[in-house]
Amino acid sequence: SQTIHQWPATLVQPVGSPLSLECTVEGTSNPNLYWYRQAAGRGLQLLFYSVGIGQISSEVPQNLSASRPQDRQFILSSKKLLLSDSGFYLCAWEGPGAKGEQFFGPGTRLTVL
Amino acid sequence: DQQVKQNSPSLSVQEGRISILNCDYTNSMFDYFLWYKKYPAEGPTFLISISSIKDKNEDGRFTVFLNKSAKHLSLHIVPSQPGDSAVYFCAAGSGGSYIPTFGRGTSLIVHP
Repeated sequence: SQTIHQWPATLVQPVGSPLSLECTVEGTSNPNLYWYRQAAGRGLQLLFYSVGIGQISSEVPQNLSASRPQDRQFILSSKKLLLSDSGFYLCAWEGPGAKGEQFFGPGTRLTVL
Repeated sequence: DQQVKQNSPSLSVQEGRISILNCDYTNSMFDYFLWYKKYPAEGPTFLISISSIKDKNEDGRFTVFLNKSAKHLSLHIVPSQPGDSAVYFCAAGSGGSYIPTFGRGTSLIVHP
């Protein structure tokens, strides 16, 4: 069966510090991978998606970046966090051709102080 | 510009009654629609979907209705249970895209 892991579960970082959130998927090959952010009252905002190793598409211009160094690994990074980066970050995967049915990880609660 | 709108931020229902969650969309190219359920501090979980060629899809207590002419879909939960209390997200997408568009969610509270 497929599982998706995200870590850390919670993170408190000062403004201007770097960020690295990791997501890994097990039990599937060549998944589409996604990073979302849920800010208070804002629903799910798609940040990045990837359809393959090294292939990253950005949906929202910001100070975040994403990388996919391996088939089942997706990393969200920032060189300098802003207060507005606080939120609940979710990684998700989707099987090829599975129309929109995504499987989400447990999320990371990021607080930037 | 929100292409998927959930105009009710919250809904309160008595246990055993029907819960109806609504969703409107503006993009006529959308051809698949999904509902996700999310508990606090957890990732959303897929609940049910419907293709644009159908107007109803049922899975146990959950039924999704699609009205293409009105660009409206709804999720019915019958009977509602306290464990159904969660935020429900509507999402929609088109066949040529990998990316569903999510609504902002409706918080459902089912009272015992």
